[in-house]
Amino acid sequence: GIQVEQSPPDLILQEGANSTLRCNFSDSVNNLQWFHQNPWGQLINLFYIPSGTKQNGRLSATTVATERYSLLYISSSQTTDSGVYFCAVGIPGGGADGLTFGKGTHLIIQP
Amino acid sequence: DGGITQSPKYLFRKEGQNVTLSCEQNLNHDAMYWYRQDPGQGLRLIYYSQIVNDFQKGDIAEGYSVSREKKESFPLTVTSAQKNPTAFYLCATRQGGSYEQYFGPGTRLTVT
Repeated sequence: GIQVEQSPPDLILQEGANSTLRCNFSDSVNNLQWFHQNPWGQLINLFYIPSGTKQNGRLSATTVATERYSLLYISSSQTTDSGVYFCAVGIPGGGADGLTFGKGTHLIIQP
Repeated sequence: DGGITQSPKYLFRKEGQNVTLSCEQNLNHDAMYWYRQDPGQGLRLIYYSQIVNDFQKGDIAEGYSVSREKKESFPLTVTSAQKNPTAFYLCATRQGGSYEQYFGPGTRLTVT
């Protein structure tokens, strides 16, 4: 099956810093989503981005499908950005219709 | 209030008992999914259903069962055959014609 690798696994930053999270995947995808899991476990949709670039406020994401990676940028970090960020992909064609998740990047923003 | 609801938020059971987790949605989405999350890990697919009265096994279906009798509901039963049932269980939905999935708040199951 498809492999999804996220880096770094852990990241500790001061409030106001910028960060870049990376997601590498091993095969062609028709779905790539970034999620933020808050301390209560809720998965919050950040981006649906199988290719291209999107921006939403302080967050932006870029997926280069031909090179099989995606980047999530967080600018001017706030303490509320803390949590785990997951990348998840879906594959075209046969196989299970579900998402394959990476292990996540645990982000801690210190005041 | 639109969305995906999962109940209960916390569930405790004794080993050997079957337990059913609820997932309800009023988004009119066609597809529904169950995932499991273990501490420090990403989510893994248990079962999914693209239409009513049809469902398929995911990557880790052993010890679980589901039904899809209504579009709005996709309950998951954790049976006594599941060897490590303690986990965080999340339900997701997807609208037909789109690939994007949306998640419910989850149920934390503890089996002792």
